[in-house]
Amino acid sequence: DTAVSQTPKYLVTQMGNDKSIKCEQNLGHDTMYWYKQDSKKFLKIMFSYNNKELIINETVPNRFSPKSPDKAHLNLHINSLELGDSAVYFCASSQGWASGIQETQYFGPGTRLLVL
Amino acid sequence: DAKTTQPTSMDCAEGRAANLPCNHSTISGNEYVYWYRQIHSQGPQYIIHGLKNNETNEMASLIITEDRKSSTLILPHATLRDTAVYYCIVRVEGNYGGSQGNLIFGKGTKLSVKP
Repeated sequence: DTAVSQTPKYLVTQMGNDKSIKCEQNLGHDTMYWYKQDSKKFLKIMFSYNNKELIINETVPNRFSPKSPDKAHLNLHINSLELGDSAVYFCASSQGWASGIQETQYFGPGTRLLVL
Repeated sequence: DAKTTQPTSMDCAEGRAANLPCNHSTISGNEYVYWYRQIHSQGPQYIIHGLKNNETNEMASLIITEDRKSSTLILPHATLRDTAVYYCIVRVEGNYGGSQGNLIFGKGTKLSVKP
């Protein structure tokens, strides 16, 4: 039943490690997003993919590499994790873009990343 | 930066209407007003959006002033489960040529519904 799901829910790791977060949506949407919510609770967009193609990249360090194997999945791989990467990462999806259809974004439950 | 201004926090009694204001004095003609909320430890949840006319759905009503410089989200009968941070966002719909279509979240209003 879950519309947008993320795994894992919690991730605790050491500085310098490489980790991945997975996102899947079963809404049939064409567009998916990654957001980061920092300790001050500001929620900011990182990336957006439409039909497996990158359309938004908001000046995110290249240690972050999104990958979309198909339009229902958008995974986030992070290399050489730093303390400042500790945050909650939210995946979202929407119907599409430039389609004239309402583009409400539906968010996943979040992945809480703690870098030690 | 967010183009909206909201009070930091508000209280509401359970069962009463919660009226959450938002100022967006620099809104452009093609920008919609969106409302999302984030319940503690959950992802943001879409509530409602509108361009010029007032809108109502099963969750809430959205009242937009005639000059579109401000709006109010109304939860008609607030419950304890409505306690959340409410975000008012303005964005262009359907434009992904740049950043204009991004959802830019500000600090929001922390609504506390009390018994």
